[in-house]
Amino acid sequence: GQNIDQPTEMTATEGAIVQINCTYQTSGFNGLFWYQQHAGEAPTFLSYNVLDGLEEKGRFSSFLSRSKGYSYLLLKELQMKDSASYLCAVMDSNYQLIWGAGTKLIIKP
Amino acid sequence: GAVVSQHPSWVICKSGTSVKIECRSLDFQATTMFWYRQFPKQSLMLMATSNEGSKATYEQGVEKDKFLINHASLTLSTLTVTSAHPEDSSFYICSARPVITDYEQYFGPGTRLTVT
Repeated sequence: GQNIDQPTEMTATEGAIVQINCTYQTSGFNGLFWYQQHAGEAPTFLSYNVLDGLEEKGRFSSFLSRSKGYSYLLLKELQMKDSASYLCAVMDSNYQLIWGAGTKLIIKP
Repeated sequence: GAVVSQHPSWVICKSGTSVKIECRSLDFQATTMFWYRQFPKQSLMLMATSNEGSKATYEQGVEKDKFLINHASLTLSTLTVTSAHPEDSSFYICSARPVITDYEQYFGPGTRLTVT
């Protein structure tokens, strides 16, 4: 079966760095996405990785290792507004997104 | 660019009535649109995939006669929840894939449905 695993909840301090991990097992791979979702709102796109390595975009970076079925989202200089759920999703061989359950990130002052 | 709208943003209806939710891609054409449902504190659950001009493909466990999907044009898809019941209360989100891409999806803001 297809499976996406990520921690349910994480807590971090304002100004710090946090890494959210995601492991996956899917039938085929056409890229991995990270989305941010604030409570009561739709997800917003953060990053897309299809090749191994690190993609940096401002305070957010995303890493992918296809051989390990592993990705992480790195958030630097955390701000209170970063409190949200972070969803990992993998696009399978049918170009369908398989979603993780999301990681709720709580930022404390 | 790449804006997707949903209407209404929230709706309250009585049990047994039907509710229609619209999803529009405002500045691009979308061959494929996706309908998701999200219950509190849970991740997105794909309900169905709709392609313009053809019947929607429903995920296992989703009743196609209850959740009617019409994708009549390259910019509009509708989801009708028929004979709604309180257990249908949820956050319904659509996303649209531009014609020119295989992987991008842009999400609408979601519609919160409450069935009383």
